[in-house]
Amino acid sequence: AQSVTQLDSHVSVSEGTPVLLRCNYSSSYSPSLFWYVQHPNKGLQLLLKYTSAATLVKGINGFEAEFKKSETSFHLTKPSAHMSDAAEYFCVVSDVWYSGGGADGLTFGKGTHLIIQP
Amino acid sequence: KAGVTQTPRYLIKTRGQQVTLSCSPISGHRSVSWYQQTPGQGLQFLFEYFSETQRNKGNFPGRFSGRQFSNSRSEMNVSTLELGDSALYLCASSPAGTGITGELFFGEGSRLTVL
Repeated sequence: AQSVTQLDSHVSVSEGTPVLLRCNYSSSYSPSLFWYVQHPNKGLQLLLKYTSAATLVKGINGFEAEFKKSETSFHLTKPSAHMSDAAEYFCVVSDVWYSGGGADGLTFGKGTHLIIQP
Repeated sequence: KAGVTQTPRYLIKTRGQQVTLSCSPISGHRSVSWYQQTPGQGLQFLFEYFSETQRNKGNFPGRFSGRQFSNSRSEMNVSTLELGDSALYLCASSPAGTGITGELFFGEGSRLTVL
């Protein structure tokens, strides 16, 4: 079985300061990991994905995440927050060996609400 | 290229009624999955369709059903609505099996309010 835990339900940072959104996962095999972002009244958009290539993954809008197998973590970071980054962020684990390739193989975290202070 | 389109965007129903939501995936995408999003439960997987066949189903009662047409458009239906069905229903499309790549393209959702 697989699971994902987003360690903070809310994170508040000032504009121009670094962002850190934490995600720990549990998977029986070698998972794929993703971060999605959801702006108010919008659907989710893929930020970045890890699929067993480079452990440091760069995504859109200046975000990046590092896969650390020893810590079972996949934290999302950005060097300098912008007001437009205010949104809900979801960490997702995909274990294709568990699911056989179906959508039920995706497990979403509960989300982290990122607040940007001016 | 047009994105995933969901209709209607907002709707209000009363308990006991039924509702049908529609999703048009990105052109060429064959997989459509549905999710229910609520503040308390987060994102929960409802079901996935691939080439007109239900491929996977989440842990929801039989009141929730869906189908996919030959053009990959999908509908989901909820019968005998309950207050707890109030949620944002998200549709996502993917070129192939969703779990293989994990890359989903989401619509903006249909917000259902049950009174």
